[in-house]
Amino acid sequence: EPEVTQTPSHQVTQMGQEVILRCVPISNHLYFYWYRQILGQKVEFLVSFYNNEISEKSEIFDDQFSVERPDGSNFTLKIRSTKLEDSAMYFCASSGSSGSTDTQYFGPGTRLTVL
Amino acid sequence: AQSVTQLGSHVSVSEGALVLLRCNYSSSVPPYLFWYVQYPNQGLQLLLKYTSAATLVKGINGFEAEFKKSETSFHLTKPSAHMSDAAEYFCAVSVDSSASKIIFGSGTRLSIRP
Repeated sequence: EPEVTQTPSHQVTQMGQEVILRCVPISNHLYFYWYRQILGQKVEFLVSFYNNEISEKSEIFDDQFSVERPDGSNFTLKIRSTKLEDSAMYFCASSGSSGSTDTQYFGPGTRLTVL
Repeated sequence: AQSVTQLGSHVSVSEGALVLLRCNYSSSVPPYLFWYVQYPNQGLQLLLKYTSAATLVKGINGFEAEFKKSETSFHLTKPSAHMSDAAEYFCAVSVDSSASKIIFGSGTRLSIRP
């Protein structure tokens, strides 16, 4: 069964450093998302992406964050200058189309630790 | 604005007992509702979803949920708990089944007693 994959599974970085989290969505999907889950808290929406542009973003997704689909398979989340409070599990998701017949499928997540 | 409220951050049941995880939603438009499960150190797996078809939705692993508009509820149930059901369960809502952001509840940790 096709699945969303994410790399790395765990990323440790120093405060102020840039990180890029990578995702490979399901191959024929058109909609892409990033969510995050701070330890012990709920999963929060960050951004959605369709047709090579951001469809929607949350208040969390400020100028420090950016997303890109650099090629036909990868979908990346970049944090330009990490802060301690960026430490979280980051989930990528993808879906094939809009409407009631499809579902967002989530990857296993990347745990980001900012020291 | 949409939101979900999960009653009980932690539920503990005995193996073989009924599992009932409560979720109430708030939505200004007809909602799409989901239950996701997260096993320790893993990602989110869709258990089931409600997309305005049948109000009783059957999912994987023997779980089901019933959409009750009058009560704005979407409680998750399973007749007989297994040890392998121990996990975190998230109720979630969206305005669209797939293309819009999903708003998650705070989660309920399900523990199973032998």
